[in-house]
Amino acid sequence: ILNVEQSPQSLHVQEGDSTNFTCSFPSSNFYALHWYRWETAKSPEALFVMTLNGDEKKKGRISATLNTKEGYSYLYIKGSQPEDSATYLCAPNNAGNMLTFGGGTRLMVKP
Amino acid sequence: GAVVSQHPSRVICKSGTSVKIECRSLDFQATTMFWYRQFPKQSLMLMATSNEGSKATYEQGVEKDKFLINHASLTLSTLTVTSAHPEDSSFYICSARDGSLAGGEQYFGPGTRLTVT
Repeated sequence: ILNVEQSPQSLHVQEGDSTNFTCSFPSSNFYALHWYRWETAKSPEALFVMTLNGDEKKKGRISATLNTKEGYSYLYIKGSQPEDSATYLCAPNNAGNMLTFGGGTRLMVKP
Repeated sequence: GAVVSQHPSRVICKSGTSVKIECRSLDFQATTMFWYRQFPKQSLMLMATSNEGSKATYEQGVEKDKFLINHASLTLSTLTVTSAHPEDSSFYICSARDGSLAGGEQYFGPGTRLTVT
């Protein structure tokens, strides 16, 4: 079982603030890292799949970076909006394609 | 995009009864499906990996005789919670991997909230 840690556990920001959070994972036997956005009562929504060290991916106001050598990934949200409120999950997978989820960062954006 | 459905979305059952949860991939063939469980205020924990046409692989600590998994076709996997007890009350969510795509992307169902009284 992989040890995956996300920080902070929860985060309150004002609308318009930019924010970021961290996912730490074992760097050995790395295959890919997934970021998901999960709203209550909905399916987790895939944001990014990252595989290469130094990868940077962007989707609208959300971007992510990956460091496989040291085992961490950052997720950034620029100009947070209330609709960004959700739990953001990271999940590395090994070559067996099984995801191990971190505890998530619960983001709340106040209007 | 790929769609995964789960049924039922909510179920309440009495202690000692069995409950079946279905997970379907609607527009792709899923050679592999995964079952997760979420405890309150915790993240998703993998229970088992279900491969079409073969036995499921259970994670350590998950009782295979209690959580029966069947993956009889490329679009359907079922999880049966047998002799349910209140401690089995949880949120169960499945995901499916598109067998035609490389990369390991998984698509999640909307989840099933199980309450055992």
